[in-house]
Amino acid sequence: QVQLHQWGVGLVKPAETLSLTCAVYGETFTDYYWSWVRQSPGKGLEWLGEINHRGITAYNPSLGTRVSLLVDPSVNQFSLKVFYVTASDTGVYYCARGPSPSHDWALDFWGQGTTVTVSS
Amino acid sequence: SDLSQPPSVSGAPGQTVTIFCSGSITDIGAGSDVHWYQVLPGSAPKLLIYGTSKRPSGVPARFSGARSGTSASLAISGLQADDECFYYCQSYDSGQRAVLFGGGTKVTV
Repeated sequence: QVQLHQWGVGLVKPAETLSLTCAVYGETFTDYYWSWVRQSPGKGLEWLGEINHRGITAYNPSLGTRVSLLVDPSVNQFSLKVFYVTASDTGVYYCARGPSPSHDWALDFWGQGTTVTVSS
Repeated sequence: SDLSQPPSVSGAPGQTVTIFCSGSITDIGAGSDVHWYQVLPGSAPKLLIYGTSKRPSGVPARFSGARSGTSASLAISGLQADDECFYYCQSYDSGQRAVLFGGGTKVTV
């Protein structure tokens, strides 16, 4: 059974960089894309981007170049950076497997979530 | 653009509620798969329906999905108290190469 475990700094100052990492266990890392999704207070789910083991990425167009995804397939980990954060970047961030061919390109397994607060 | 869902629906225990998800010709209308997620308070999203109408292992048959044109729907029959939470639809915009979510629907039992 695939498991995703994520971690990172929970408090970030405005204009600084948010950084999170997600480790994947019990799965062939190279067979899938891996995504980040967030939920801001009082709002819905927002997809941030995806990456595969070769470093091929796709990003949410609404975030422009403020988001960057990196991958380290040697340790089955991928990471998220959000640059120049503001209060609107506050929320719960999730890593997820997918879009996954195992379930018609859905996001089928999720990390536990990390709460990130942007505040000085 | 994102998908549209009603902010809330409600029903009595045992009844059936249906949540609609409206898209466009570039996502659901283009044939992109539609998926649904259940988000319980304080928990990560859980895949509830994938590929429009398929259920992952362990999801009860009370949950069912359908699609028509540029829209999709999730029906919950035999409504139970622990069904009370948020539900999100998701599809894919092939033009923007982006995963899209609906705004979420709060189901109240």
